[in-house]
Amino acid sequence: NAGVMQNPRHLVRRRGQEARLRCSPMKGHSHVYWYRQLPEEGLKFMVYLQKENIIDESGMPKERFSAEFPKEGPSILRIQQVVRGDSAAYFCASSPPLAAWAYNEQFFGPGTRLTVL
Amino acid sequence: TQLLEQSPQFLSIQEGENLTVYCNSSSVFSSLQWYRQEPGEGPVLLVTVVTGGEVKKLKRLTFQFGDARKDSSLHITAAQPGDTGLYLCAGEIIGEGAQKLVFGQGTRLTINP
Repeated sequence: NAGVMQNPRHLVRRRGQEARLRCSPMKGHSHVYWYRQLPEEGLKFMVYLQKENIIDESGMPKERFSAEFPKEGPSILRIQQVVRGDSAAYFCASSPPLAAWAYNEQFFGPGTRLTVL
Repeated sequence: TQLLEQSPQFLSIQEGENLTVYCNSSSVFSSLQWYRQEPGEGPVLLVTVVTGGEVKKLKRLTFQFGDARKDSSLHITAAQPGDTGLYLCAGEIIGEGAQKLVFGQGTRLTINP
């Protein structure tokens, strides 16, 4: 039973280029979350998606960042015109469909480490 | 402002000692999770606590959720070098509707042989 998969594991971009980060959730999971982690810090929520819907993007910067989770294929976090401050580890997590009474357990992928030169 | 405060942020002790990590907030959480993260990897879920006052044990690790569901603690007995890592607490916020997790800044634990 494969866990959450992310690729690439490492990504190097020059300032102004685009970065695309991919996440395949665990089998049977329909909820995907993206988090950003700076060195020596905890994870910061960015966006929560279900298939073809963005549920909560309150943690996403208003410009240059976008996310999608299409009906087919992985979830994509896209960063346009990257700047040095975008350098961080980006983690994807997934969770199964939630019953109204259930708590939310999220399972994390190994992350993509983005370095902007 | 940090919604979840973890303390201490860094802890280095000798093998065999006991330790406690704290996770505090002024907010109430519907659940609280503890993760452990190794360098270069994603967080791995250790436990979820849901009920106020709940205590869960995982071998030498004891997790407790505060009665008011605002705080939690992780106690490790007889620490071993294999316990070294970054420990993160994360709270699920009530009423937000989106079931997102809010993370503490982490406790970096080093157990010296």
